[in-house]
Amino acid sequence: KAGVTQTPRYLIKTRGQQVTLSCSPISGHRSVSWYQQTPGQGLQFLFEYFSETQRNKGNFPGRFSGRQFSNSRSEMNVSTLELGDSALYLCASSTYGTAMNTEAFFGQGTRLTVV
Amino acid sequence: AQTVTQSQPEMSVQEAETVTLSCTYDTSESNYYLFWYKQPPSRQMILVIRQEAYKQQNATENRFSVNFQKAAKSFSLKISDSQLGDTAMYFCAFIGRSSGGSNYKLTFGKGTLLTVNP
Repeated sequence: KAGVTQTPRYLIKTRGQQVTLSCSPISGHRSVSWYQQTPGQGLQFLFEYFSETQRNKGNFPGRFSGRQFSNSRSEMNVSTLELGDSALYLCASSTYGTAMNTEAFFGQGTRLTVV
Repeated sequence: AQTVTQSQPEMSVQEAETVTLSCTYDTSESNYYLFWYKQPPSRQMILVIRQEAYKQQNATENRFSVNFQKAAKSFSLKISDSQLGDTAMYFCAFIGRSSGGSNYKLTFGKGTLLTVNP
């Protein structure tokens, strides 16, 4: 079956702009989580959506937001971009709504560069 | 709060040798799962191995095995007969109930970059 698809793969934006990233989970997965990966901080949890509801949220400013649609596809939005937002953004889908031993399946990520 | 610590930012090993990556975690939960994920240079993260906290027997997947010490909150990954394809970033991860909540939350360590040398 198809894996987790993230689009676009690469983005270059200017400070102050906003950006929207997309994630299509594995069919049947209702949980979608977003992570920011940087060399210094590793993987930091942004938020998790399950059945269109945000269930968990990490410690990121309100400029970072997300949503999930009825088909489980998710988008995350970053407004007023800062240089420090440059990172690899990873999306993971799973069935965590039912069991915690399930595997998280990751997309290849979106590399965002803010200039 | 749940935390995961990987104290080795980088490690290297010769091909065919054995290497152990360290991970410690902190939680007040009694039931949880621990995972090791691998992120090769192509970037897609994949699951290597998982361990349930209630199981005393250490998990094994082919050349990969863990040493799970629940009392010490330690979860190390041993890679035997290292191969060039094992070169990757390895992340230790913990899943349990999010603080004060009823939902599960997956928390990652900062990763260990493992290089297998020919």
